[in-house]
Amino acid sequence: AQSVTQLGSHVSVSEGALVLLRCNYSSSVPPYLFWYVQYPNQGLQLLLKYTTGATLVKGINGFEAEFKKSETSFHLTKPSAHMSDAAEYFCAVSEVDNDMRFGAGTRLTVKP
Amino acid sequence: GAGVSQSPSNKVTEKGKDVELRCDPISGHTALYWYRQSLGQGLEFLIYFQGNSAPDKSGLPSDRFSAERTGGSVSTLTIQRTQQEDSAVYLCASSLLGNGGTEAFFGQGTRLTVV
Repeated sequence: AQSVTQLGSHVSVSEGALVLLRCNYSSSVPPYLFWYVQYPNQGLQLLLKYTTGATLVKGINGFEAEFKKSETSFHLTKPSAHMSDAAEYFCAVSEVDNDMRFGAGTRLTVKP
Repeated sequence: GAGVSQSPSNKVTEKGKDVELRCDPISGHTALYWYRQSLGQGLEFLIYFQGNSAPDKSGLPSDRFSAERTGGSVSTLTIQRTQQEDSAVYLCASSLLGNGGTEAFFGQGTRLTVV
């Protein structure tokens, strides 16, 4: 089955600094890739997704991710972190049958 | 309803008792997922339904766990003879069964505490 590895269970950045959250996937077929965010005491919501077409995908709140097939990666970035970005971020992969698997999550802390 | 609904939102049960967790997916969504979120453990896949059938039950932790879905809609996750390690937030999500690139919408979860 497809799987996801998120490197770094906890990432801490200063406000205004670059955010980089790493995600590598394993899939036997072209994957569909997602990033979800879970703010404190809230449910999971979709940040962005890649299905087909342009490999650089833009999402909400200034986040973007790039699908790199050669590296089997889908890292999430944001040029300048805000305090409100503090949350847990989950990378997910699904294949054609919609079975979606998540990584272990990365907790982002933003320091003032 | 407008979103995925889970009930109860919180459940405290004594060790050894059985519990049933309910998920009402978004109307028309044929794919339904159950995940478990434990502190520091991320999202653990439990089971996935396409309509009423479950192509992949590999994530169920033990034979104490079972799930069913009826009418292509409501799903229940049953945990028999609960143990303290079953304490977690159980999340349900649903999506349209399409080409695999469709978004999964999550419920708020059921927080299960086994005492």
